[in-house]
Amino acid sequence: EIVMTQSPATLSVSPGERATLSCRASQSVSTSLAWYQQKPGQAPRLLIYNTSTRATGIPARFSGSGSGTEFTLTISSLQSEDFVVYFCQQYYDWPLTFGGGTKVEI
Amino acid sequence: QVQLVESGGGVVQPGRSLRLSCAASGFTFSGYAMHWVRQAPGKGLEWVAVISYDGSYIFYADSVKGRFTISRDNSKNTLYLQMNSLRPEDTALYSCARVGYSGSGASGWFDRWGRGTLVTVSS
Repeated sequence: EIVMTQSPATLSVSPGERATLSCRASQSVSTSLAWYQQKPGQAPRLLIYNTSTRATGIPARFSGSGSGTEFTLTISSLQSEDFVVYFCQQYYDWPLTFGGGTKVEI
Repeated sequence: QVQLVESGGGVVQPGRSLRLSCAASGFTFSGYAMHWVRQAPGKGLEWVAVISYDGSYIFYADSVKGRFTISRDNSKNTLYLQMNSLRPEDTALYSCARVGYSGSGASGWFDRWGRGTLVTVSS
């Protein structure tokens, strides 16, 4: 299976600063990659799909890039509600797999 | 609006069975592939199973293959997960999720998730 590795596990950033989250695939997933945000006690929320397409209603401060095995989620200016956990997911091949998550903390 | 509501979770002994349901509303359920995804307490997300829009394509994670069965009833707008021979490592919050596009594909991103139902396997 394709193993997804996210780094760092925890990212400490100040409000208003830029956050860069990484996701690496053990083999190429082309651009078949999505990012999710998960707040405590809530279901994941889709942010980005096809590597760089923002989902409906997602603010422009969220952007995705990459291809092959290296992907990045960038949050341009962190708001208070952004300090939660983020997961990446590949859907290039079965089984679908997720990264272990990055917690963005103040 | 789109809603996915899971039910059927609970505490069960190892080796026993449980059937989860996911009631869908606010969209044309029969047009979308549906998935089950689980999250063990304090852990990350694990994909469990998929069923295509018409039930013709089904695929499982190796960890549940032969024990779990995914199915759907498009007349009732409901997704199911029959879980047999449960193990302690199956303890998790089980969520149903909709693939992000309608049509014949089964793989993809998830644009809608339910809040999940908790399954605890313990003696």
